[in-house]
Amino acid sequence: DAKTTQPTSMDCAEGRAANLPCNHSTISGNEYVYWYRQIHSQGPQYIIHGLKNNETNEMASLIITEDRKSSTLILPHATLRDTAVYYCIVRVTGGGNKLTFGTGTQLKVEL
Amino acid sequence: EAQVTQNPRYLITVTGKKLTVTCSQNMNHEYMSWYRQDPGLGLRQIYYSMNVEVTDKGDVPEGYKVSRKEKRNFPLILESPSPNQTSLYFCASGRGVWTDTQYFGPGTRLTVL
Repeated sequence: DAKTTQPTSMDCAEGRAANLPCNHSTISGNEYVYWYRQIHSQGPQYIIHGLKNNETNEMASLIITEDRKSSTLILPHATLRDTAVYYCIVRVTGGGNKLTFGTGTQLKVEL
Repeated sequence: EAQVTQNPRYLITVTGKKLTVTCSQNMNHEYMSWYRQDPGLGLRQIYYSMNVEVTDKGDVPEGYKVSRKEKRNFPLILESPSPNQTSLYFCASGRGVWTDTQYFGPGTRLTVL
């Protein structure tokens, strides 16, 4: 399984873009990159996922490098409610659809 | 509203007293799973189910049982709880396609004394 590396914590000013990086240098060709977030002890919430193309939805954008060894989650206009732990996950193929959560990045959005 | 519900949300019990944490989803999902979350260890999968009557062990199944008699329900059973099962538990569901997203319940905080 490809492992991911994320910074432990990041700060962002409200209204600014939050760019959360993730390294996944051992990713396989058919493995997707997923992002979930967890707001203080609530259930994790799906944000976005992608294979190799950049993706955008109503919550965020996902930029995956051409070699797929890293990606960046972008929250275009962060708000206080975006304060959470953000998990970058490379999806395990088979294995019961398991999501393997690492330690994630604690994003703190401040005024 | 599409959701995964868990009950109870909070539970304090004593060692050895059997308990069940219920999980229900209203999205007709085939896949359901239980995770536990502990400080410094992240979320770890306990058991999962790909469909009715089909269950399998995750990474940390010891001390837990599950059943999947109906598509919507996936209860987690602790036959003889011990203090090391004190944790925050999450149920999740999904359509079953491995690329699909998963939806998580609000969590059950269990304390075993």
